[in-house]
Amino acid sequence: DADVTQTPRNRITKTGKRIMLECSQTKGHDRMYWYRQDPGLGLQLIYYSFDVKDINKGEISDGYSVSRQAQAKFSLSLESAIPNQTALYFCATSDVVGYEQYFGPGTRLTVT
Amino acid sequence: GENVEQHPSTLSVQEGDSAVIKCTYSDSASNYFPWYKQELGKRPQLIIDIRSNVGEKKDQRIAVTLNKTAKHFSLHITETQPEDSAVYFCAASPAGRRALTFGSGTRLQVQP
Repeated sequence: DADVTQTPRNRITKTGKRIMLECSQTKGHDRMYWYRQDPGLGLQLIYYSFDVKDINKGEISDGYSVSRQAQAKFSLSLESAIPNQTALYFCATSDVVGYEQYFGPGTRLTVT
Repeated sequence: GENVEQHPSTLSVQEGDSAVIKCTYSDSASNYFPWYKQELGKRPQLIIDIRSNVGEKKDQRIAVTLNKTAKHFSLHITETQPEDSAVYFCAASPAGRRALTFGSGTRLQVQP
């Protein structure tokens, strides 16, 4: 089945470390997104990409960077992790029309 | 940018009762309004969506209504069942951008 996958699924890291979260998709979608979910809060948009050459900041991009290596791959980096970046991170994709978004299984990140 | 507010944050109903979750949005240019269901430990999944050219849409026990003048939309679940217990998120998409802005979520608990 065409799907959205994320690696790693769980990660514990220390303050100040650089960490990369990876997202891959086999849906053939052009559009990819990174969201952050904190307990009791909704999904906040970090970055989104409408094609390989297009990268856009979302609501909470400070402290994060992204790379769109190919149509199927979109990576999120934390250059110097801090404890308040502890959260559940979701990658999502959508087709060129941009309506329904398909989410990956999530990466639970803990920064100590 | 877009701002989406969602109420209530928690909702407890008896099995068989109806549940209603309401959202308001700020950007009058938004034209796509999806609802996602997130079960514990799982990824959000689309359950129903509505576009601005219609006022109501139904799918079995689930319905969504949209009032563009008042800038609010609602999710209605009838004949609730224990498996409806989850967190529900509304979202809105500003025209031309197609990156969703999510509400903060409603935790629905259906008591058997």
